Amino acid sequence: EAGVTQFPSHSVIEKGQTVTLRCDPISGHDNLYWYRRVMGKEIKFLLHFVKESKQDESGMPNNRFLAERTGGTYSTLKVQPAELEDSGVYFCASSQDPYNEQFFGPGTRLTVL
Amino acid sequence: EDKVVQSPLSLVVHEGDTVTLNCSYEVTNFRSLLWYKQEKKAPTFLFMLTSSGIEKKSGRLSSILDKKELFSILNITATQTGDSAIYLCAHLNTDKLIFGTGTRLQVFP
Repeated sequence: EAGVTQFPSHSVIEKGQTVTLRCDPISGHDNLYWYRRVMGKEIKFLLHFVKESKQDESGMPNNRFLAERTGGTYSTLKVQPAELEDSGVYFCASSQDPYNEQFFGPGTRLTVL
Repeated sequence: EDKVVQSPLSLVVHEGDTVTLNCSYEVTNFRSLLWYKQEKKAPTFLFMLTSSGIEKKSGRLSSILDKKELFSILNITATQTGDSAIYLCAHLNTDKLIFGTGTRLQVFP
């Protein structure tokens, strides 16, 4: 069974540019989550999709971040315009139900210069 | 606000040593506590603990939860260099994981 995949593995952009991260969850997992780890801090929740609906987006830092999951399969997270403090590792995870373990992807390292 | 605290932050041991990693939590509505191992990339799931006092075991790794004292421990016996990783503890709150900062374990030959 293929795991959670993320693309790209690393992105370097300049402040003010736009970046789109992609996550492909495990097939059949309705629940998809985005998390972020900034330097020296713990991994923090951004949002949760159930199929294509946003169940909880309480962790999204501001309106420069837009997450979508059209069709309930893969998800994208767009940052526009990127700021220096957006640098970090963005993880995606998926699960069959919200009460059990979440399976994580390898993360996308975002560096904003 | 829910909080998960791990200790120590970092641990350096030799192969064959036994280690205990700690995780304490302060949460408003406890559901489950999870342990993950992160080597280079993706955190990989180790254990999910819901009930107090029941040990979960997988090979040389084991974990237990104490809901009265609000903590969990992860034990690794006879450590190997392949155990070197960041170990993450997280509370599953409704639908999201609240993570601690992790314990970095380095095992030297």
